[in-house]
Amino acid sequence: DTGVSQDPRHKITKRGQNVTFRCDPISEHNRLYWYRQTLGQGPEFLTYFQNEAQLEKSRLLSDRFSAERPKGSFSTLEIQRTEQGDSAMYLCASSLGQGQGSGNTIYFGEGSWLTVV
Amino acid sequence: AQSVAQPEDQVNVAEGNPLTVKCTYSVSGNPYLFWYVQYPNRGLQFLLKYITGDNLVKGSYGFEAEFNKSQTSFHLKKPSALVSDSALYFCAVRDINDMRFGAGTRLTVKP
Repeated sequence: DTGVSQDPRHKITKRGQNVTFRCDPISEHNRLYWYRQTLGQGPEFLTYFQNEAQLEKSRLLSDRFSAERPKGSFSTLEIQRTEQGDSAMYLCASSLGQGQGSGNTIYFGEGSWLTVV
Repeated sequence: AQSVAQPEDQVNVAEGNPLTVKCTYSVSGNPYLFWYVQYPNRGLQFLLKYITGDNLVKGSYGFEAEFNKSQTSFHLKKPSALVSDSALYFCAVRDINDMRFGAGTRLTVKP
């Protein structure tokens, strides 16, 4: 059983450039989540997918951010025109989904560190 | 909305001593509570969860947590700390469609 995998693990980019992160969830998981974590803080929810449908987006997800999960398997998170404030770790996670408020465990990947210089 | 709070930024304990990392929650309805651990530059690893049933939940690496409804707490415990337990610990509560995390508690176990 492979866990959630993320690529790249580290990315340094210049301000104004676009970056894209990829996430491969645990294979049987139908829900996929993106979180952002800055130093000294807990992860903050960005968005989640149920299969290929993006069902919720946090207000933290500005117009420069877009996430896709085209075939209900892997997902990408793209940040356009990066800003220094985007520097953070972007965490992908997955779970089984059985309706709202499920007690199913969410499993996290190792994260993708973004540094905008 | 569901939320959790971790009142301590830092917990220091000597190796071999018992440890407790505190968490309190605020929920409407039944709480689904979780503990995760994060090592430097790594993602979050699931330790244990409370959904229903016994108030004492046992998890990975010898950790356990006690659900206390009257005190709205879900403290993480371990009878004998190891230096390798030093890490960042997050309490979390399942909200409608996602997980809400506390700010984290940094545990340092000294030899």
